[in-house]
Amino acid sequence: KQEVTQIPAALSVPEGENLVLNCSFTDSAIYNLQWFRQDPGKGLTSLLLIQSSQREQTSGRLNASLDKSSGRSTLYIAASQPGDSATYLCAVPTSNTGKLIFGQGTTLQVKP
Amino acid sequence: NAGVTQTPKFQVLKTGQSMTLQCAQDMNHNSMYWYRQDPGMGLRLIYYSASEGTTDKGEVPNGYNVSRLNKREFSLRLESAAPSQTSVYFCASFERNQETQYFGPGTRLLVL
Repeated sequence: KQEVTQIPAALSVPEGENLVLNCSFTDSAIYNLQWFRQDPGKGLTSLLLIQSSQREQTSGRLNASLDKSSGRSTLYIAASQPGDSATYLCAVPTSNTGKLIFGQGTTLQVKP
Repeated sequence: NAGVTQTPKFQVLKTGQSMTLQCAQDMNHNSMYWYRQDPGMGLRLIYYSASEGTTDKGEVPNGYNVSRLNKREFSLRLESAAPSQTSVYFCASFERNQETQYFGPGTRLLVL
């Protein structure tokens, strides 16, 4: 059974720092891996989707990497800003039906 | 284009009461999902509907029923609410060629 874990549960950094969020999964037979952002009291917004055949994906200051053999993904945020404060979740689909298994999330606070 | 909408936004129930959470999407997606989010546990799949007319159980279906009313609408019913069902409920929709799921803003449910 696929399990997804995110460490740490919470992270607080000063503005301007580069940071890395971690996601690990137990079954390497994945179709893709997604990173979502969740603002307090809001729904989830997809940030990046990495296909199983890709090593990384970039969007602006965000870079997500995928290492299937080790069951790990990282989300790198460059030059963090207070507006980046949110909860970040990673998820993998159980099949091609779109059902997702989520990690517990990392709540990020970027202090001015 | 509203995406995925959910009603109500917030609800308080007494133990034993029933209610239906409504979800609608206007993206013509075939698949729809109901997740619950509890502190420290990420999102867990309750039920899903791969296409109009079909529904299947997810990871935590006990205490819930669903109806895929048509392609747009997917409702979640609590027949006899319990305090353990206090949670935030998210509806999502998905189409294979788009690969990412789209989430609604959530319904916050408190069962006393």
